[in-house]
Amino acid sequence: GENVEQHPSTLSVQEGDSAVIKCTYSDSASNYFPWYKQELGKGPQLIIDIRSNVGEKKDQRIAVTLNKTAKHFSLHITETQPEDSAVYFCAASFTGNQFYFGTGTSLTVIP
Amino acid sequence: NAGVTQTPKFRVLKTGQSMTLLCAQDMNHEYMYWYRQDPGMGLRLIHYSVGEGTTAKGEVPDGYNVSRLKKQNFLLGLESAAPSQTSVYFCASSYPRTSGGAVGSYNEQFFGPGTRLTVL
Repeated sequence: GENVEQHPSTLSVQEGDSAVIKCTYSDSASNYFPWYKQELGKGPQLIIDIRSNVGEKKDQRIAVTLNKTAKHFSLHITETQPEDSAVYFCAASFTGNQFYFGTGTSLTVIP
Repeated sequence: NAGVTQTPKFRVLKTGQSMTLLCAQDMNHEYMYWYRQDPGMGLRLIHYSVGEGTTAKGEVPDGYNVSRLKKQNFLLGLESAAPSQTSVYFCASSYPRTSGGAVGSYNEQFFGPGTRLTVL
């Protein structure tokens, strides 16, 4: 099956700085890569996703890049704010039925 | 809309006891999923369903059973709980979107708030 690795496991940034989280995947057939944000005590929530036919996608302060050749994708958060503090998960899917998640990155934005 | 709800929120079991976790969604989604979340391991898929009356195994199905008798409900059962099943369980649902004729390739999952289960 698919194997998704995520780095770093923890990340601290000053408010206003950028944060980058990286994921690699093993199955070249994977074609859908969502990113989820999980706040304490809540379920994960989709924040952005990218399909394999696109190299980059932006949504305000959040962007995701995909390198199919290298089989890695990254989440970029610019102008970080304290409310960005959460655990972020990447995932990969081929069938749309089974999703393989990374192990999560705990982001802390220091005011 | 309530979205995805899970019952109960917390539960403590003794080894060997059984229980059922209930997931309900009011978004008319076709697909439903059960995950477990353990520290340092992310979310792992236990079972999923692509429609009423259908279920399939995920990554870690052993020790669990599921049923999808109604489209809006997805039940996860533990017949004989073990300490290794101590975890936070999340249910999710999604509606398969089409792209280039490939049904279900890109599914945004909506997660419930989770059930924290402790097995002593």
